[in-house]
Amino acid sequence: GAGVSQTPSNKVTEKGKYVELRCDPISGHTALYWYRQSLGQGPEFLIYFQGTGAADDSGLPNDRFFAVRPEGSVSTLKIQRTERGDSAVYLCASSLMSQGYGYTFGSGTRLTVV
Amino acid sequence: AQKVTQAQTEISVVEKEDVTLDCVYETRDTTYYLFWYKQPPSGELVFLIRRNSFDEQNEISGRYSWNFQKSTSSFNFTITASQVVDSAVYFCALSEGNTGFQKLVFGTGTRLLVSP
Repeated sequence: GAGVSQTPSNKVTEKGKYVELRCDPISGHTALYWYRQSLGQGPEFLIYFQGTGAADDSGLPNDRFFAVRPEGSVSTLKIQRTERGDSAVYLCASSLMSQGYGYTFGSGTRLTVV
Repeated sequence: AQKVTQAQTEISVVEKEDVTLDCVYETRDTTYYLFWYKQPPSGELVFLIRRNSFDEQNEISGRYSWNFQKSTSSFNFTITASQVVDSAVYFCALSEGNTGFQKLVFGTGTRLLVSP
């Protein structure tokens, strides 16, 4: 596609529920990134994929968070047993493998846990 | 550890004023990149500039200019003759060579309000 697409744009869920957030990167971009942006803060790194594998998942806050990219294109961020503190905007970005610096962000998914 | 500080939380100016957004960074790496992103109300982060640690030349792009000074670990961003459309949150960010430049560390952002 022309840009990075994230769905849904907004998600409201109850505490304790499971959610999935989807990211569709720019066609041909092999690197994919997830960031989380809390209110009034800058984005914080969660995980980075090179192709199908997670090259760096050091930013995932705990084992309730998991992300996959089974075919090296679309990625899904999964959050189990959601907590109110998980409320944030989840941003996805992608880049060409050789770039590794500066990438294109999507508009994000605003997750609200009530 | 790497860190980016944007001490200005919010700046308000009147259209046509010049405004400078400050960014101070910390890193132990000798090879790194610095970035500025714009986040308008729509929420999408828009890439503005990338600068590597070996290039201290200042850069100008239209009304935008950037001043990179390694001696003070600063990478400041100036908007000349500001316009209402410049209203947004601006983020400074850093990536390091020891992470393959893959991970961006962002500051907390500066909200710029330009009034007519």
